[in-house]
Amino acid sequence: ELKVEQNPLFLSMQEGKNYTIYCNYSTTSDRLYWYRQDPGKSLESLFVLLSNGAVKQEGRLMASLDTKARLSTLHITAAVHDLSATYFCAVDPPAGNEKLTFGTGTRLTIIP
Amino acid sequence: AAGVIQSPRHLIKEKRETATLKCYPIPRHDTVYWYQQGPGQDPQFLISFYEKMQSDKGSIPDRFSAQQFSDYHSELNMSSLELGDSALYFCASSLGGLAGDEQFFGPGTRLTVL
Repeated sequence: ELKVEQNPLFLSMQEGKNYTIYCNYSTTSDRLYWYRQDPGKSLESLFVLLSNGAVKQEGRLMASLDTKARLSTLHITAAVHDLSATYFCAVDPPAGNEKLTFGTGTRLTIIP
Repeated sequence: AAGVIQSPRHLIKEKRETATLKCYPIPRHDTVYWYQQGPGQDPQFLISFYEKMQSDKGSIPDRFSAQQFSDYHSELNMSSLELGDSALYFCASSLGGLAGDEQFFGPGTRLTVL
C-alpha cells in the first residue's frame, strides 16, 4: 500500500525567511503533484513533476523530485503572508492505478 | 477556461437521509474521480470512472454509490447518512484515464450531516 508522508505537519515562519517542506513516499512512482488549499477551498494545482530530477519554479515556490530517494521537496523563498495555506503533495502510483494518494498536508502560517 | 463544476456547493442533511452530489467534468475530459476530505484531513480517494465504467475503487462505504453518465457527468449517491460523512467532497477530472494525466479539482461540495 502506497504511503505518503509530509513533514513538517505545521510550519510557522516569519516573512522573508526560507523553508522546505518534504514529501516522502513508499513505492515507485514517476509522478508527483503539489497542491495548495486555502481553508474550506478547493485544491489548486501548483506543480506537476513527471521525472527524476524534475525541478519547477513559480514565483517564491520551487519543487523538485528525486524518484530514487522517493522524495520531493517544496522550497519557499522569502516567504510572504499570501503563501499561508495548507500544502499537499500527492503521488500517482505506477501505471494502471489512477487514484492519487495524498500526503498528510503541511499547514503553513507566515507571520508578518 | 472551463473548470470542473460541482453541485450543490453546500448541503445540509439529517442522519439517515440520502444525498446526491453532482460533478460536471472539464469539457472533453472522460475520467472522473471522487475524493472525501474530512476536517483537518487529507483527501481520500473514493471511486473513479473512465468512459462511463468504474475504473478504481477506494475506501468508499457500501452506503455510497456512484456512476458516470453518457455526457460524462458523474453523481455520487449517499444513503443512510451518518455524522461521520460530514466532509468536503471533491470531484476531479482528467483526460484519457491514464496514470499521470493531471487531475483538475472542482470547488467541492461541503456536506454537513446533523
